[in-house]
Amino acid sequence: DGGITQSPKYLFRKEGQNVTLSCEQNLNHDAMYWYRQDPGQGLRLIYYSQIVNDFQKGDIAEGYSVSREKKESFPLTVTSAQKNPTAFYLCASSIDERDALGNQPQHFGDGTRLSIL
Amino acid sequence: GNSVTQMEGPVTLSEEAFLTINCTYTATGYPSLFWYVQYPGEGLQLLLKATKADDKGSNKGFEATYRKETTSFHLEKGSVQVSDSAVYFCALSDRAGNQFYFGTGTSLTVIP
Repeated sequence: DGGITQSPKYLFRKEGQNVTLSCEQNLNHDAMYWYRQDPGQGLRLIYYSQIVNDFQKGDIAEGYSVSREKKESFPLTVTSAQKNPTAFYLCASSIDERDALGNQPQHFGDGTRLSIL
Repeated sequence: GNSVTQMEGPVTLSEEAFLTINCTYTATGYPSLFWYVQYPGEGLQLLLKATKADDKGSNKGFEATYRKETTSFHLEKGSVQVSDSAVYFCALSDRAGNQFYFGTGTSLTVIP
């Protein structure tokens, strides 16, 4: 079955460490996204990528970095510069609507919960 | 710019009650509209969608109608069940930029 896989489900980080969250999709989607969700809040866009080797900052990109070397993969690194990294991180993908007929929703992974030790 | 505004929760209903979760949007052009549902500890799942004015999306007893005149996409269900307890997100898709805009989510708890 096609879908989006995020790993790990739970992740712990010590102060001053960088950590990388994995996101892989086998849906052949062009666009991929990273969101951060804090308790009782909505989703905030961190980074997104519409094509391989290209990505753009979202609303809260500071302290994060991404890469898009392959269509299937869009890893997110939470750097030590991110002062409040504890959150639930969601990865999503979609067909680029500009190339598609009709609406194309986002598909989400099951998320990674990051906590600071 | 584009934005989505949802009614604030939490919402608590008894089983078999009628549900409405309000959603209004601001957008340039002609966005697509979506409702997503999130169960505890999970990602978001697409619940229903609508692509143009007067379209009605429906799934699992939930419905929402794309109202361009009132820029709304309210979620309704005639008889909720305990299993509907979750957080519901309204969202729009900007076709021009291929970006998605989410509301802040509305938490629903259904009690037996």
